[in-house]
Amino acid sequence: DAGITQSPRHKVTETGTPVTLRCHQTENHRYMYWYRQDPGHGLRLIHYSYGVKDTDKGEVSDGYSVSRSKTEDFLLTLESATSSQTSVYFCAISAGADGNTIYFGEGSWLTVV
Amino acid sequence: AQSVTQPDIHITVSEGASLELRCNYSYGATPYLFWYVQSPGQGLQLLLKYFSGDTLVQGIKGFEAEFKRSQSSFNLRKPSVHWSDAAEYFCAVGAISGTYKYIFGTGTRLKVLA
Repeated sequence: DAGITQSPRHKVTETGTPVTLRCHQTENHRYMYWYRQDPGHGLRLIHYSYGVKDTDKGEVSDGYSVSRSKTEDFLLTLESATSSQTSVYFCAISAGADGNTIYFGEGSWLTVV
Repeated sequence: AQSVTQPDIHITVSEGASLELRCNYSYGATPYLFWYVQSPGQGLQLLLKYFSGDTLVQGIKGFEAEFKRSQSSFNLRKPSVHWSDAAEYFCAVGAISGTYKYIFGTGTRLKVLA
């Protein structure tokens, strides 16, 4: 258990509305990630963070923004949700004795109608 | 560009049979390699990982994987599959170019016949 909590776990929202997903970790890990999972695509990196206020884009960052004002929280925001953003979103952290193993939260199911 | 390929989208095996899931990667240096398993509606659980040293690594639930540099492969194996192994399996490459980025394959869904 890597101490990762995602909220909400399930959400249905309308096209054009803003949505924020929260990832909370309890073990002071430096690196945090947001991935989306879609059939046929596996997991694709949206954004990641390497410290408070330090973030960078992944391969599918368009339409998403992130913020990390505290070590324990990494927020993913869809400024204006679209149907193409219907997906399962996973938060992850890098941990382990070597710091190089990625561990996942339980996921957030988002449906944009 | 770095990539991870899992050539088999679906695999079906009988309970008790052996299993091998294929993973090939494209990366200039020796990467960090991982296998994860995902049950329906769940997050991804780490099965095993390879960083260096012995190229045959043991993981949880009786799984093992072998790193073959010459083939750029990291195939997952299990000698005898149990019905509870039915899930989706993901191969991943980590620490890309000195970063903390990870790239995942598209997954292999395993079905186990009783």
